[in-house]
Amino acid sequence: DTGVSQDPRHKITKRGQNVTFRCDPISEHNRLYWYRQTLGQGPEFLTYFQNEAQLEKSRLLSDRFSAERPKGSFSTLEIQRTEQGDSAMYLCASSFGQGKAKNIQYFGAGTRLSVL
Amino acid sequence: GENVEQHPSTLSVQEGDSAVIKCTYSDSASNYFPWYKQELGKRPQLIIDIRSNVGEKKDQRIAVTLNKTAKHFSLHITETQPEDSAVYFCAASGGSARQLTFGSGTQLTVLP
Repeated sequence: DTGVSQDPRHKITKRGQNVTFRCDPISEHNRLYWYRQTLGQGPEFLTYFQNEAQLEKSRLLSDRFSAERPKGSFSTLEIQRTEQGDSAMYLCASSFGQGKAKNIQYFGAGTRLSVL
Repeated sequence: GENVEQHPSTLSVQEGDSAVIKCTYSDSASNYFPWYKQELGKRPQLIIDIRSNVGEKKDQRIAVTLNKTAKHFSLHITETQPEDSAVYFCAASGGSARQLTFGSGTQLTVLP
């Protein structure tokens, strides 16, 4: 499968626990994005990497959230001290920053987080 | 920052009829406008996109139009089929923003 893959697909956790999600982008894509989607809404931007550099973070990304892309390939998103309001689908997308395909973002299937 | 408004939130059409979904954006620097289709429990999938240097783009039964002056763009689906039933999202990006700003979605139902 050459698409964007995310792991796990579902995560159930108790309030206050830490969780970590992984995203593997399409192999030649240098840009990677994290979005959050709640029921009935469009995805909301969280953060964006170009190669290993985190270039932009949304105001939605509180200090309990951290993301990394250590070697410019896969990325992880960690949420510390989870709250019930963190329950959502976390989507990863990747794109290639040049040429005709510039800006076209391909999405993974997401990780659905439920905080009890 | 960018703000994207999408209408209608729900749309029901008879099979074979056309469907039109409209979006407006606020940032005149935005220059890329994709449309995604999302079926229940699945990933958003790009169905068509348009860049600000063109006014219209068509791909079989799907077309998108862009009016930069009015800052709005629309998705047109002709000869709708039941498998077109899904949630459709418009989005915008450009200028200093690499990320997409999405509309709130339109639930399209095609009645057989």
